[in-house]
Amino acid sequence: AQKITQTQPGMFVQEKEAVTLDCTYDTSDPSYGLFWYKQPSSGEMIFLIYQGSYDQQNATEGRYSLNFQKARKSANLVISASQLGDSAMYFCAMRAGGGNKLTFGTGTQLKVEL
Amino acid sequence: GAVVSQHPSRVICKSGTSVKIECRSLDFQATTMFWYRQFPKQSLMLMATSNEGSKATYEQGVEKDKFLINHASLTLSTLTVTSAHPEDSSFYICSARISIGLAGGLGNYNEQFFGPGTRLTVL
Repeated sequence: AQKITQTQPGMFVQEKEAVTLDCTYDTSDPSYGLFWYKQPSSGEMIFLIYQGSYDQQNATEGRYSLNFQKARKSANLVISASQLGDSAMYFCAMRAGGGNKLTFGTGTQLKVEL
Repeated sequence: GAVVSQHPSRVICKSGTSVKIECRSLDFQATTMFWYRQFPKQSLMLMATSNEGSKATYEQGVEKDKFLINHASLTLSTLTVTSAHPEDSSFYICSARISIGLAGGLGNYNEQFFGPGTRLTVL
């Protein structure tokens, strides 16, 4: 079974600062993929970044980067230069074992302040 | 990018009625779509996997007779909540699977693009 743990229910960050959202995972499958999604108050799920278990380098997409530490089974999301529009719920998710199912964490509510 | 739409975005219905929610992939074909349910301030929970031309695969604990799924074409899946009750009130989100090629020809991975969601309120 796969499990995703997000231990931060809520985070606050000042505009233009960097913030790290934690995510740890558990799976016995050697092949898996890790995803981060952003969910604004409007509800849609916005894909941010993907990291494959065999990827040698940490994934980056613009202001988003994924700090992938395989031995620790962690896949933290780093948002640099936070903007007010980054305020949203952030979900870490995993797909493992070659299947289609995404397992989501409980999410972190990020609030960017002036 | 891949766009997934849902209709309606919001619905309020009386207890005992049935509600149909549509999920469409607008600019790609999706043999596989997924239906999730999200209660307030909680995570997304997968309800079922919708396969074009075949029966949906339901997650444990999800009543297939209550949540009817039809995936009649490569761009449309529908979820019908039959005889809805107040406890069915939730945010329903669909996603469609698409294969994304990795840079440098290093294979591909499957990505899910999500619809905007449908907020169902059963009175």
